[in-house]
Amino acid sequence: DTAVSQTPKYLVTQMGNDKSIKCEQNLGHDTMYWYKQDSKKFLKIMFSYNNKELIINETVPNRFSPKSPDKAHLNLHINSLELGDSAVYFCASSLLPGEQYFGPGTRLTVT
Amino acid sequence: QQQVKQSPQSLIVQKGGISIINCAYENTAFDYFPWYQQFPGKGPALLIAIRPDVSEKKEGRFTISFNKSAKQFSLHIMDSQPGDSATYFCAADKTQKLVFGQGTRLTINP
Repeated sequence: DTAVSQTPKYLVTQMGNDKSIKCEQNLGHDTMYWYKQDSKKFLKIMFSYNNKELIINETVPNRFSPKSPDKAHLNLHINSLELGDSAVYFCASSLLPGEQYFGPGTRLTVT
Repeated sequence: QQQVKQSPQSLIVQKGGISIINCAYENTAFDYFPWYQQFPGKGPALLIAIRPDVSEKKEGRFTISFNKSAKQFSLHIMDSQPGDSATYFCAADKTQKLVFGQGTRLTINP
C-alpha cells in the first residue's frame, strides 16, 4: 500500500543510452512532480503536472521528457544520458500546496 | 540564485539537547514554509509546516518559529533523540512550486 512508488530503485547505464523511470501514486492527488537530488543533497524541482497537464518546466535539458498517461502516473524519460545526469531522482505528489509526498527515489548512475 | 538559504550545513547535538536549524528566504510571495526530514536511502518526508500569518507552530518536540519581517524561519527540535539523526530541509512554496534549502545533516550523539 505504498503511497508513491518508483521503479527502478537503482539504474546503472552507460553514456548515450536512453532510460525511463516510472512513478505511481495511489493517494488520489492531482499534482505530481519530478525532483533531482545531486551529490550534495540539493533538491531541485524539474517538472510538475496537474491532472496530466504540464504546469512547471524548470530549466532542464530537453533530453528529459516527462509523460503523464493519467493523473496517478508520471514517468520520466531521459535521452542520450550524460555523466552529469547521475543523481537521485524523486517523484512526489500533492493535494495541497507545499505538502508533498515523496517516493523512495531512483539512484541513476551514468558510467 | 539561492532563494532559500539554510544553515548550518551540519549539526551535532547531544541526546536530550535542542537542535536548531535556520532558514532565510528572499521572495515575499512565498506563502507556505514546510520542513522535510530525510533518512539515508529514503525520500524526504513532510515534518511540520507553517504559514506566514503565524509566528510559531508546535507539534510534539518540533517547533517552527517564523519571523516575517526578517524573512527568516527556524526549526527547533526539543529533547533531541538519536532517531532524529537525518538530513533536514526547509522549503518555501509559491503556487505549488517548492524551493528547498541546501539541507542540514543532523547527528544526535547518544
